[in-house]
Amino acid sequence: KAGVTQTPRYLIKTRGQQVTLSCSPISGHRSVSWYQQTPGQGLQFLFEYFSETQRNKGNFPGRFSGRQFSNSRSEMNVSTLELGDSALYLCASSPGTNEKLFFGSGTQLSVL
Amino acid sequence: GQQVMQIPQYQHVQEGEDFTTYCNSSTTLSNIQWYKQRPGGHPVFLIQLVKSGEVKKQKRLTFQFGEAKKNSSLHITATQTTDVGTYFCAGAGGTSYGKLTFGQGTILTVHP
Repeated sequence: KAGVTQTPRYLIKTRGQQVTLSCSPISGHRSVSWYQQTPGQGLQFLFEYFSETQRNKGNFPGRFSGRQFSNSRSEMNVSTLELGDSALYLCASSPGTNEKLFFGSGTQLSVL
Repeated sequence: GQQVMQIPQYQHVQEGEDFTTYCNSSTTLSNIQWYKQRPGGHPVFLIQLVKSGEVKKQKRLTFQFGEAKKNSSLHITATQTTDVGTYFCAGAGGTSYGKLTFGQGTILTVHP
């Protein structure tokens, strides 16, 4: 079985731009979660989707949004990028609720 | 909201010494999970604990879940250089349906 695939692997943007990150979960996994990882803040929960529905959302501004498609693939979007958005964005899929997470390699976003 | 605190933040040991990291939640958890992230890598699932007072072992690793289901620990016996990385606990429960709250992680360095 293929693992969780995230694209792109690296991204460089400038302040004010927007960005879309993509995540393909493990086949059969219906839950997709997104996390932001920074050296100072650790892993911060962004949101979780299950069968195209957002079930939970972390404490991030409205500039961070996401969606899940009928094939369970997910995207997250960050609009009006700020320098502080520079981070590793990790996607994780899971067979069900509160089960173990399988993480992708992440997208390293740098905002200049 | 739910908070998960993890200590210590850093631990340096000589190869062969033992290592322990502790995790405390502000609320009762339905389960707790442990992950390991190697430098430059992504978090990889180690184990999930569900029952009050549960103890699980994986070779040199021992995981415990507290009686009140609010704290947990990971103990590594006789560390090896391959144990290097960041160890995260992640708690699920309460109103955090579909959301795992991660601790800050403990960065383990093993000196040969």
